[in-house]
Amino acid sequence: KQEVTQIPAALSVPEGENLVLNCSFTDSAIYNLQWFRQDPGKGLTSLLLIQSSQREQTSGRLNASLDKSSGRSTLYIAASQPGDSATYLCAVWITGGGNKLTFGTGTQLKVEL
Amino acid sequence: DAMVIQNPRYQVTQFGKPVTLSCSQTLNHNVMYWYQQKSSQAPKLLFHYYDKDFNNEADTPDNFQSRRPNTSFCFLDIRSPGLGDAAMYLCATSRGGVSGVYEQYFGPGTRLTVT
Repeated sequence: KQEVTQIPAALSVPEGENLVLNCSFTDSAIYNLQWFRQDPGKGLTSLLLIQSSQREQTSGRLNASLDKSSGRSTLYIAASQPGDSATYLCAVWITGGGNKLTFGTGTQLKVEL
Repeated sequence: DAMVIQNPRYQVTQFGKPVTLSCSQTLNHNVMYWYQQKSSQAPKLLFHYYDKDFNNEADTPDNFQSRRPNTSFCFLDIRSPGLGDAAMYLCATSRGGVSGVYEQYFGPGTRLTVT
């Protein structure tokens, strides 16, 4: 059974810092990996999707990498801003598991002025 | 803009009183999902529709049912809500198929309170 872990569970940084959020998964047989952002009491917003054949994806100040063989992904946020404060979730599409995502429990990020 | 819409955004129901949550999409995606998310937890998949085919997760209680009358709409019915069913309910959609991009798009969620 695929398990997805995110470390740390919570992170507080001063504005302007570059930071890395980690995601690990136990089964490397994945279709792709998706990073989401969730603001308190809201739905999920898709940030980046990395196909299993890709190594990384970039969108603005965000860069996500994928190392399937080691079962790891990182989300890099450059020059963090208070508006980046949210919970960040990673999720993997598993092969042979139907059209389903398995989610991690998230990293709660707070960027302070 | 193409999107996933959930109604209502907030729902209060009484213990044991049936409730229906609604989801609609303009993305023309053939897969629709319902997730339950409790505070500080990951979203938990309840079931999904691939076209008209219903796929229930093994640990989804019988109290939860779903209907998909057409491509655009999907409903979550909770037949007899208990206090433990209070949660955020998230609807999502994606394209399906043997291969391709499977990005999921989520609605804003419905916050269910059970009194």
